[in-house]
Amino acid sequence: KAGVTQTPRYLIKTRGQQVTLSCSPISGHRSVSWYQQTPGQGLQFLFEYFSETQRNKGNFPGRFSGRQFSNSRSEMNVSTLELGDSALYLCASSPRFVSNTEAFFGQGTRLTVV
Amino acid sequence: AQTVTQSQPEMSVQEAETVTLSCTYDTSESDYYLFWYKQPPSRQMILVIRQEAYKQQNATENRFSVNFQKAAKSFSLKISDSQLGDAAMYFCAYHNNNDMRFGAGTRLTVKP
Repeated sequence: KAGVTQTPRYLIKTRGQQVTLSCSPISGHRSVSWYQQTPGQGLQFLFEYFSETQRNKGNFPGRFSGRQFSNSRSEMNVSTLELGDSALYLCASSPRFVSNTEAFFGQGTRLTVV
Repeated sequence: AQTVTQSQPEMSVQEAETVTLSCTYDTSESDYYLFWYKQPPSRQMILVIRQEAYKQQNATENRFSVNFQKAAKSFSLKISDSQLGDAAMYFCAYHNNNDMRFGAGTRLTVKP
């Protein structure tokens, strides 16, 4: 089985712009969750989508949003980028709700905001 | 809010020796899951071992085992016969129905 695929791997954006990141889960997995990883804050949960519905959301501002398509692929959008949004964004897929099973992670998208 | 604490930012072990990574967590829930994830320098995080809170028996996966103390809210990872490929960041994670939290990570170095 192919693993979780995230695109693009690297992004450089200017403050104030918006960005969309993509995640293709492992075939058959219906849950996709997103995480932000920074040296200062560590690894933080952004949100989880299951069957096209947002199931859980972490403590992030509304500038961070996402969606999931019928094929379980997911996108994450960040609007009005701030310098502090520079981070590694990880996506993970799970066969069930991620809250009660392990997450299978992608390699991440490195976002740099300048 | 549930918190996950890894008190050892860095650990070092000699190849073939044993090392234990510590993790404590805070929760008022009785039903949850605990995980150790490994993030090698290539960045892709992979699962090392999982423990369901309702199970009293400690999980074991080959050279990896946990010491789960539910009352003490402690979940340590023991790596036996350490190998060079074990060098990575290790994250302790807490999952429950409404929340997912990670510790700050422990960087493990394996010396040949």
